[in-house]
Amino acid sequence: NAGVTQTPKFQVLKTGQSMTLQCAQDMNHEYMSWYRQDPGMGLRLIHYSVGAGITDQGEVPNGYNVSRSTTEDFPLRLLSAAPSQTSVYFCASSLGGKAFFGQGTRLTVV
Amino acid sequence: SQQGEEDPQALSIQEGENATMNCSYKTSINNLQWYRQNSGRGLVHLILIRSNEREKHSGRLRVTLDTSKKSSSLLITASRAADTASYFCATDLLNYGGSQGNLIFGKGTKLSVKP
Repeated sequence: NAGVTQTPKFQVLKTGQSMTLQCAQDMNHEYMSWYRQDPGMGLRLIHYSVGAGITDQGEVPNGYNVSRSTTEDFPLRLLSAAPSQTSVYFCASSLGGKAFFGQGTRLTVV
Repeated sequence: SQQGEEDPQALSIQEGENATMNCSYKTSINNLQWYRQNSGRGLVHLILIRSNEREKHSGRLRVTLDTSKKSSSLLITASRAADTASYFCATDLLNYGGSQGNLIFGKGTKLSVKP
């Protein structure tokens, strides 16, 4: 049972480039979410989804897009990367309020 | 904006001692949870306490919740070097986004347990 799988683990982007962070879960959870974690900070919610076809914004959505075409997958797209988006990104799926996290993607924008 | 704030920011103890971390929050909640994060890795769920509960135990963990004071504490008894990690409280806000499962995290307490 893989749980929540994020790819890639590490990524370096140039300012202005776009990319998609992948997230997949095999627990059949309806709720999925994306967080970013900056040094010395807790996690901040970017976008979330309550089920396939339904997404909504969290606390820090600017510069990011999401879609949810299946229950399993919840990709996060950076439209035009900026240095301020350098962070560690975590995807999570939730059941009964408990979140199960992936191992994170460490993104550096230069 | 941060909902939960942990205290202290950092805690260093010897193996075998107890570790207590506190969390304060601002608005009404469905539940409060504690997570552990080992360096550079994903967060792991430890324990969830609902707003109508006052205390909960799981192994060496004891969590209390005081909704009148909007605060919670996490006690780790008989700590081990393997407990070295950052600990975060997270609140599942009442009516936030119309759904449960979206959490507001504090900045965490960095616990160091020395052998």
